[in-house]
Amino acid sequence: DTGVSQDPRHKITKRGQNVTFRCDPISEHNRLYWYRQTLGQGPEFLTYFQNEAQLEKSRLLSDRFSAERPKGSFSTLEIQRTEQGDSAMYLCASSLMGIPEKLFFGSGTQLSVL
Amino acid sequence: KQEVTQIPAALSVPEGENLVLNCSFTDSAIYNLQWFRQDPGKGLTSLLLIQSSQREQTSGRLNASLDKSSGRSTLYIAASQPGDSATYLCAAPEETSGSRLTFGEGTQLTVNP
Repeated sequence: DTGVSQDPRHKITKRGQNVTFRCDPISEHNRLYWYRQTLGQGPEFLTYFQNEAQLEKSRLLSDRFSAERPKGSFSTLEIQRTEQGDSAMYLCASSLMGIPEKLFFGSGTQLSVL
Repeated sequence: KQEVTQIPAALSVPEGENLVLNCSFTDSAIYNLQWFRQDPGKGLTSLLLIQSSQREQTSGRLNASLDKSSGRSTLYIAASQPGDSATYLCAAPEETSGSRLTFGEGTQLTVNP
């Protein structure tokens, strides 16, 4: 197992198009997180799953955003009708629920909306 | 709502120097705090996780301390090397959701050879 992997690494799209990102967590991890990071800022929480259940969503996650983790393994994050303000690095992290809970991050997907 | 602040925003030091990065948080009822490293255009690498029952955690040349009562954590890097150049982020859990981390804006460290 090589860690959390995200695909694609980079995505350039035109405003109004839909995009989908994929995250494959570390195989035995039951929690999966999505964060968004803009230049010069720390990551901001978007949502997280425990197994296939989406347990929390940030107010940052507008109606245009949807995340799924259908079988409790990989997850997808879809953004519909992209806007220029959606341009950011989208980071996925996974963990094994417990105390302490240590997060392992992927390399991220850099989205540019033109 | 948890707020995390990191000082300084940027730091440039000569190779070999010992340095301290600071992190403060507003909600002290946390059960752990994490420090991460981020290289340009890359994801985050976990460096240290300090549990609330610990005061310090060490890994190689890195030492992190946690003082919940004052809402502060420090990351000490000994004998800095050019390879340490990166952005260092601290993250604390939200009070109402221990699973949700709030990150500081990071300290951008440059170690000059």
